[in-house]
Amino acid sequence: KAGVTQTPRYLIKTRGQQVTLSCSPISGHRSVSWYQQTPGQGLQFLFEYFSETQRNKGNFPGRFSGRQFSNSRSEMNVSTLELGDSALYLCASSSGTTENIQYFGAGTRLSVL
Amino acid sequence: QKEVEQDPGPLSVPEGAIVSLNCTYSNSAFQYFMWYRQYSRKGPELLMYTYSSGNKEDGRFTAQVDKSSKYISLFIRDSQPSDSATYLCAMGSNYKLTFGKGTLLTVNP
Repeated sequence: KAGVTQTPRYLIKTRGQQVTLSCSPISGHRSVSWYQQTPGQGLQFLFEYFSETQRNKGNFPGRFSGRQFSNSRSEMNVSTLELGDSALYLCASSSGTTENIQYFGAGTRLSVL
Repeated sequence: QKEVEQDPGPLSVPEGAIVSLNCTYSNSAFQYFMWYRQYSRKGPELLMYTYSSGNKEDGRFTAQVDKSSKYISLFIRDSQPSDSATYLCAMGSNYKLTFGKGTLLTVNP
């Protein structure tokens, strides 16, 4: 069974640009969560989607948005990039039930110059 | 007070040692508890998960949860150099995981 796939693996952008990251969950999983990981703050929850609906949201500004498609694939968008957005962005998939065991992809490393 | 506090380490032990990693939490709403291992430049890998107080064993790993004290631990027996990684505790409720900042473990041959 294939794991969680994130593309691209690396991105370099400049301030003010926008970026879109993609995540394909494990087959059969309907929930996708996004996290930001930085050395100073650790792993921080961005949002979670289940059946194309955002079910939970963390404390990030509105520049961070996401969506989920009918095949459970998800995208995350960051608009008007800031230097502080440089981080590893991780996607995790789960069945979406109350057990919520999450499996992570390898992440997309975003550098904002 | 942060919702999840994790001993920051770093921790350096000789091969074969018993390793103890710990987290405390303040949110009584947390329903499930997990430990992840993250190698450099990789995503976190699920090691253990549990939903109740008590111990859960899987090979060389034992996860311990004490809900009354809001404390969880991961024990690694007979540690190996391949166990060298960052260990993250995670606690969940409402389809959201809250992570500790991680403990960097180095097991020296």
